[in-house]
This record gives sequence, structure tokens and C-alpha cells, in this order.
Amino acid sequence: GQQLNQSPQSMFIQEGEDVSMNCTSSSIFNTWLWYKQEPGEGPVLLIALYKAGELTSNGRLTAQFGITRKDSFLNISASIPSDVGIYFCAGSDSGTYKYIFGTGTRLKVLA
Amino acid sequence: EAGVAQSPRYKIIEKRQSVAFWCNPISGHATLYWYQQILGQGPKLLIQFQNNGVVDDSQLPKDRFSAERLKGVDSTLKIQPAKLEDSAVYLCASSLQGFKNIQYFGAGTRLSVL
Repeated sequence: GQQLNQSPQSMFIQEGEDVSMNCTSSSIFNTWLWYKQEPGEGPVLLIALYKAGELTSNGRLTAQFGITRKDSFLNISASIPSDVGIYFCAGSDSGTYKYIFGTGTRLKVLA
Repeated sequence: EAGVAQSPRYKIIEKRQSVAFWCNPISGHATLYWYQQILGQGPKLLIQFQNNGVVDDSQLPKDRFSAERLKGVDSTLKIQPAKLEDSAVYLCASSLQGFKNIQYFGAGTRLSVL
């Protein structure tokens, strides 16, 4: 099945650094979601985006809905060790409430 | 508010055996999803229910996988017979119907087929 392309695939960063990741699709979406998944757990919703160009923050996390509606971006500022995990994007055209997930970005934070 | 409940958390079976997973969605959520997540990949939708009707099962291997959602609440996903490549985490998610549809996930069932 189709999966969205996420970049980078993995990141190793120092505590305190900022992180940027993105997600691209060949299809236009009306909704973008960003999730974080930790080992042995299900994905937990971080941010939801509903409008092209929308910029939404959740604490140190900021996500943007790309103008083309084919991409989305997630930034984490001043990373901390508990940011470790896999970050997934998911896009939907809303007509079917069906989401397609990205391949994931694995983040490791070195203290 | 209670989250999405799944059981069991782990299951180990031999190939050709049968297995079933159970999911109880968040109360009031009309839409229920089953995903398969293979190690190192994102979740892949297997089946989507709206109340007790199937909306999308295009990626469900129907020769061996089946799912039901009786009474529009909890759901069961079954694999019979299991293959080695079915080893994965099976995630259940639910959402309210309508605009701003957001999926909430359970912790998943990790299946190992030996």
C-alpha cells in the first residue's frame, strides 16, 4: 500500500538542538496529522492541521501544512531526551476519513 | 476518558495457527480502524468500519484475515491460518465521525509467528 515519504529517515542530535522533519505526498490532502510512537506503544497524536499554510504549535513542537497541500513539516525546538521516538505523519483527503501514514523519522537525543 | 483498549498485548503462535485480536474503541467513536505495522514501517490500514459497516477493506488479505464489529462498538480481527509474514504489531484506532477526524490509537498487539 501507499506510504508517504518522510525525511530524514533517522536523526541523532544533541540535547538542546532544534529538529526539523518533513513529509511529502504525491496526492493532495485536506488533513495532516503528526504522531509520536515510543517502543511498545501506539502512536500518540501531537498536532493536527486542517488548512493549507496553517502553522500550529504544541509546546516545543510546531507543524505546518504545506501550501501545495502535498507536504507537511514538523519542528521540535530545544530537544530533550524524552523526545526520543519515531515521528509519523499521516494524511487524509477527508472524504473517506482514511489516513495514509509516512515511513517515519526515528529521533535519538544524546544527553 | 478511557482510551482505545486492545488485547492481548503480545501473542506468539506457530505458522498455520489461528489468532484473534480484540479492540474496544473510545466511547462514542463511530469509526474504527485496524492497522498492521511491520517493524520499521508506518501503520498500514487493513480495514475501516463506520459503526458496524465496512467502509474500506481493500488492503485486507481476505483469504486469511477477517474482521467484524458487531453492534458497532468493539471489534475482533482474526487471522487464519497465520503466515510468517504476518508477524507485526496490530493497531486499533477510533475516531469521531465528521470533520476534524482524529484517530486515537490503542497500544497494539504484537504478534510473532514462528
